[in-house]
Amino acid sequence: KAGVTQTPRYLIKTRGQQVTLSCSPISGHRSVSWYQQTPGQGLQFLFEYFSETQRNKGNFPGRFSGRQFSNSRSEMNVSTLELGDSALYLCASSSPGQKETQYFGPGTRLLVL
Amino acid sequence: QKEVEQNSGPLSVPEGAIASLNCTYSDRGSQSFFWYRQYSGKSPELIMSIYSNGDKEDGRFTAQLNKASQYVSLLIRDSQPSDSATYLCAVGRGTALIFGKGTTLSVSS
Repeated sequence: KAGVTQTPRYLIKTRGQQVTLSCSPISGHRSVSWYQQTPGQGLQFLFEYFSETQRNKGNFPGRFSGRQFSNSRSEMNVSTLELGDSALYLCASSSPGQKETQYFGPGTRLLVL
Repeated sequence: QKEVEQNSGPLSVPEGAIASLNCTYSDRGSQSFFWYRQYSGKSPELIMSIYSNGDKEDGRFTAQLNKASQYVSLLIRDSQPSDSATYLCAVGRGTALIFGKGTTLSVSS
């Protein structure tokens, strides 16, 4: 099976802009989670989608949003970018029968200037 | 108190030795536990999952869980230089994973 894919892999934006990141889960996986990884804060949970519904949300401001499509692909959006949003954004997918076991994609590295 | 705590390291071991990585968690109701390996510049890769008290072995890796002590560990036997990476402990909370900051392991040849 192909793994989780994420596009784009690298992105450079300036403060105030917005960005959309895309994630395609492993075939058959219906749950998609998003995480932010920074050197200071480590890996932090953003939100999780299942069957096009957000089931869980981490402690991030409303500038961070996401959605899931009927084919389980997901996008996350960050509006009004801040310097502190520079991070590796990771998408993970899981199958309902695997007790929250999550498999990560390669990530999108976002640099905000 | 942080939800998931790990020693940041670095933990240095010689090739062929046993590396022991530790993790404690604060939520006594946690039911699922995971170890991920992350090479520099790469994304986390799942090594082990464990749900019940005791040991779970997979090749050179053994995960140990003690829910009473709220403690999870990962043992790597016959450590290889290719095991040099950051090891992340994660605890399931609903559909989210809560991660520790990771322990950096360095295996010298």
